[in-house]
Amino acid sequence: DQQVKQNSPSLSVQEGRISILNCDYTNSMFDYFLWYKKYPAEGPTFLISISSIKDKNEDGRFTVFLNKSAKHLSLHIVPSQPGDSAVYFCAATFNSGNTPLVFGKGTRLSVIA
Amino acid sequence: GAGVSQTPSNKVTEKGKYVELRCDPISGHTALYWYRQSLGQGPEFLIYFQGTGAADDSGLPNDRFFAVRPEGSVSTLKIQRTERGDSAVYLCASSPTVNQPQHFGDGTRLSIL
Repeated sequence: DQQVKQNSPSLSVQEGRISILNCDYTNSMFDYFLWYKKYPAEGPTFLISISSIKDKNEDGRFTVFLNKSAKHLSLHIVPSQPGDSAVYFCAATFNSGNTPLVFGKGTRLSVIA
Repeated sequence: GAGVSQTPSNKVTEKGKYVELRCDPISGHTALYWYRQSLGQGPEFLIYFQGTGAADDSGLPNDRFFAVRPEGSVSTLKIQRTERGDSAVYLCASSPTVNQPQHFGDGTRLSIL
């Protein structure tokens, strides 16, 4: 049973527009959430994280929103750039991050110039 | 500084053979994780070390899989009597002790013929 779900396998966005990637989770004990970006033949690269005590975290063009009551988080990228084209993984964990990550299946983002 | 290093980057072997996969974590990171990623899936947890000891090995699929980290730095994932279903990308990650994101290597792509 998938505890972390990314229901959109792919997403296409025009360059300069906003990309919104969604993630749902089922385990209410998760208290730390992360987004990773992955290019082909490379390992996942950490992008941004959020603790369950917050509802928003922003880092440059990337913002993560957390809605605990809905068990939903989203990653906003604005403005989207062609170099953002990659697979994005949502991950969740317990104990403020010092435990194994539970990943979703990923969403492939294509930013079209 | 150097990131997480995994060797070999690719390994092709025959069914029934023994394989060892190596991970060099980021210097000073005490936590080390092994994950496995199959096609179209997110990484799945295998085993986690805090220092030299395995803190959680609940993700190892069966007793053919074993991992060590004898000096609290380099780790080796060992797979005995390999099967075709073991084919995947094996990812290693490391992190500092508390509340910090995991940083991944580029993985070892294992192919069992």
